[in-house]
Amino acid sequence: SAVISQKPSRDICQRGTSLTIQCQVDSQVTMMFWYRQQPGQSLTLIATANQGSEATYESGFVIDKFPISRPNLTFSTLTVSNMSPEDSSIYLCSAWRGTFEQYFGPGTRLTVT
Amino acid sequence: AQTVTQSQPEMSVQEAETVTLSCTYDTSESDYYLFWYKQPPSRQMILVIRQEAYKQQNATENRFSVNFQKAAKSFSLKISDSQLGDAAMYFCAYRGHGSSNTGKLIFGQGTTLQVKP
Repeated sequence: SAVISQKPSRDICQRGTSLTIQCQVDSQVTMMFWYRQQPGQSLTLIATANQGSEATYESGFVIDKFPISRPNLTFSTLTVSNMSPEDSSIYLCSAWRGTFEQYFGPGTRLTVT
Repeated sequence: AQTVTQSQPEMSVQEAETVTLSCTYDTSESDYYLFWYKQPPSRQMILVIRQEAYKQQNATENRFSVNFQKAAKSFSLKISDSQLGDAAMYFCAYRGHGSSNTGKLIFGQGTTLQVKP
């Protein structure tokens, strides 16, 4: 198994500012993913974070708005840039070793005022 | 593109009884993986059960079992002897296999399960 921690667990931010969310895995993983989830709704994949290369973004998500770093095999960050109230959501990090299970972090609840 | 559909936004079950959550999916691939995840109010996603499409036998994990109908592209979750701790949002998810297995999960809309004492 893998244990994933995220920082911060929640934050309230002002419009126009940026927030960086950290995701730490307790062991090396192949892929890391960032999801967005509105409360009570499904998960939408933002991007896949690859170590040593640029992240791969899903349709509707761009690097300027959601820059991602993956400096090593256990850590990744997601920045939500120039935030607006529409960015208020839960952001989840997940990790995959190339086997069956994908592990999830506890999420970061972001509120933009 | 693959899609996953959960047509039951909410379900309720009496404690100790059995409930079935529905999931259908669409894919042109012959090999893939299907999962059921549980998300309690704590937000922590927990893997409940998985099914490999190449296996005909339905997966079972204690009180949780699936009814996998490959031709119908249906993957339902049965929870037996429901417990109060089963109350959560349940997500059905799809992942490709082989060269199309990038690790990406495609999630359904989710079903909120209420367990009544």
